Amino acid sequence: AQSVTQPDIHITVSEGASLELRCNYSYGATPYLFWYVQSPGQGLQLLLKYFSGDTLVQGIKGFEAEFKRSQSSFNLRKPSVHWSDAAEYFCVTGTASKLTFGTGTRLQVTL
Amino acid sequence: DAGVTQSPTHLIKTRGQQVTLRCSPISGHKSVSWYQQVLGQGPQFIFQYYEKEERGRGNFPDRFSARQFPNYSSELNVNALLLGDSALYLCASSLKGNPYEQYFGPGTRLTVT
Repeated sequence: AQSVTQPDIHITVSEGASLELRCNYSYGATPYLFWYVQSPGQGLQLLLKYFSGDTLVQGIKGFEAEFKRSQSSFNLRKPSVHWSDAAEYFCVTGTASKLTFGTGTRLQVTL
Repeated sequence: DAGVTQSPTHLIKTRGQQVTLRCSPISGHKSVSWYQQVLGQGPQFIFQYYEKEERGRGNFPDRFSARQFPNYSSELNVNALLLGDSALYLCASSLKGNPYEQYFGPGTRLTVT
């Protein structure tokens, strides 16, 4: 079965610093991969998605992710973090009938 | 345009009771999916409905059931509530019968005492 692993439960970065959230997937073929963000009062929001093609995908709010088949990874990056980016981030894989979420990484931003 | 709406926002039930949660998808969306998010974990897939038919079911007991109405709104029912059913229940809608572009509602917080 398809699955994703987020090894970091909690990450703290300073505002203005760069960010990388790790995600590893488990699937033989090319998976469909997503990053969602969950903020209090905002619900779950899709940041970006990867189906095939270019391995570097751009998303909303200045986020990007890179698909690396050799490392089975789909890490989320942002060059400069803003205080409003503090939230829970989920790496997600999908099939035709459902999404499978990772356990999430909580991002804390210090001023 | 309105997003996905869910009702009620919060709910407190006693063990053994039954509960019904409601979801209205974004206008034009025909697919609705339900997820359970226990505190500190990622959402877990429960059901997907498309055009009023069940298209997917997660690893949940038969106490969980759902249906989709002709207007594409949906209800999630949980019978014989257990303490472990306490969670945030999320509804998501999408245009096509697949999960790739899912839009989530704010959720219903269910507490079982």
